[in-house]
Amino acid sequence: EAQVTQNPRYLITVTGKKLTVTCSQNMNHEYMSWYRQDPGLGLRQIYYSMNVEVTDKGDVPEGYKVSRKEKRNFPLILESPSPNQTSLYFCASRRTQGDYNSPLHFGNGTRLTVT
Amino acid sequence: DQQVKQNSPSLSVQEGRISILNCDYTNSMFDYFLWYKKYPAEGPTFLISISSIKDKNEDGRFTVFLNKSAKHLSLHIVPSQPGDSAVYFCAPSSIGSNYKLTFGKGTLLTVNP
Repeated sequence: EAQVTQNPRYLITVTGKKLTVTCSQNMNHEYMSWYRQDPGLGLRQIYYSMNVEVTDKGDVPEGYKVSRKEKRNFPLILESPSPNQTSLYFCASRRTQGDYNSPLHFGNGTRLTVT
Repeated sequence: DQQVKQNSPSLSVQEGRISILNCDYTNSMFDYFLWYKKYPAEGPTFLISISSIKDKNEDGRFTVFLNKSAKHLSLHIVPSQPGDSAVYFCAPSSIGSNYKLTFGKGTLLTVNP
């Protein structure tokens, strides 16, 4: 089954404790991206990757890091989480970025709470 | 600067009636428009799209209308079913941004049996 898999689904952590949220897709997609969803703010892009070893900032990149060493994986790293990073996070992928006919496929989300 | 506005945070409709979800945008460069649907505890899923060269696209019970001069699009669901209850996101894109999606804040649709 074609899918985007995120882990963990739920995570509670404390301020300053480094964490990684993993994302993997099995569709051989070139493009991957991370979003956060907050009440009243919709979906905002954090980082994206056009292909292996190519990453770029989205609209709200502060406090986050990503890497794209393999095509299928795109982990989101919070080096020193803060309470304002409490949010619902989604990983997404699409065949290529430049193909308008290629919709984004989303994972089921990771709910992160930073206390 | 909010480029995409879904001004109704929520909408409640009776089963069998029409649901109309609206989306306004300010960026005249947007040329491809998508709608995503999101159930609780799941990621958004692609629903329907429309290119700026069209003014209507239909897929079963779902129809999207585009009014470029008004920078307005709408999603019509007829007839509405309880299983349509979800959050709907409007997500335009443009070739200039390499078709990066800009999401609206979403509208929560509730279809009452």
